[in-house]
Amino acid sequence: EVQLVESGGGLVQPGGSLRLSCAASGFTFSSYDMHWVRQATGKGLEWVSAIGTAGDTYYPGSVKGRFTISRENAKNSLYLQMNSLRAGDTAVYYCARGLRSSFWYFDLWGRGTLVTVSS
Amino acid sequence: DIQLTQSPSFLSASVGDRVTITCRASQGISSYLAWYQQKPGKAPKLLIYAASTLQSGVPSRFSGSGSGTEFTLTISSLQPEDFATYYCQQLNSYPLALTFGGGTKVEIK
Repeated sequence: EVQLVESGGGLVQPGGSLRLSCAASGFTFSSYDMHWVRQATGKGLEWVSAIGTAGDTYYPGSVKGRFTISRENAKNSLYLQMNSLRAGDTAVYYCARGLRSSFWYFDLWGRGTLVTVSS
Repeated sequence: DIQLTQSPSFLSASVGDRVTITCRASQGISSYLAWYQQKPGKAPKLLIYAASTLQSGVPSRFSGSGSGTEFTLTISSLQPEDFATYYCQQLNSYPLALTFGGGTKVEIK
């Protein structure tokens, strides 16, 4: 089955760190660009990071310098290292696959993992 | 940064209605626009990309149009399973930035 499964979410104090993982299955993971997208409760969607098949990475200004996306193709896994976390980072974090022909669209999503930043 | 503004933010409609949602970009984005559907507690689902290309497996009652700064998502005959929140999303290629509209919630009248 083609799927993405996130893990690693939880409660963390402001200023703390957390590492999210995303396990991919059912497709050739190494051939796809991958993304993280987040959604605060009751709010809209926010793109958080992207990584290309060659390992090139991209971030919006809101997380640049604090978050690091990486991938391990041998393990079919995507990661998001989040440092210096703030209350505003509280959200469900989704792992998403970039469309093969146009990597900036997301054609496969995981169920998400909840990150709560609170003291 | 390019902003996307969706309208309306809330829409009440009946089964069988024709529904149109608009997404306006603050600058021209050619056809670099997608539409997603999200149901409560679920991940978003890609419906339309490149402004008008229907994603595989998506019913043909969904269609997209537009280019430049104004785009529309149309549901030709609303079905019970279509009640959801819809988001548009655009690409700004340099620097790379992917942004979403604020969403349109479609509810049953």
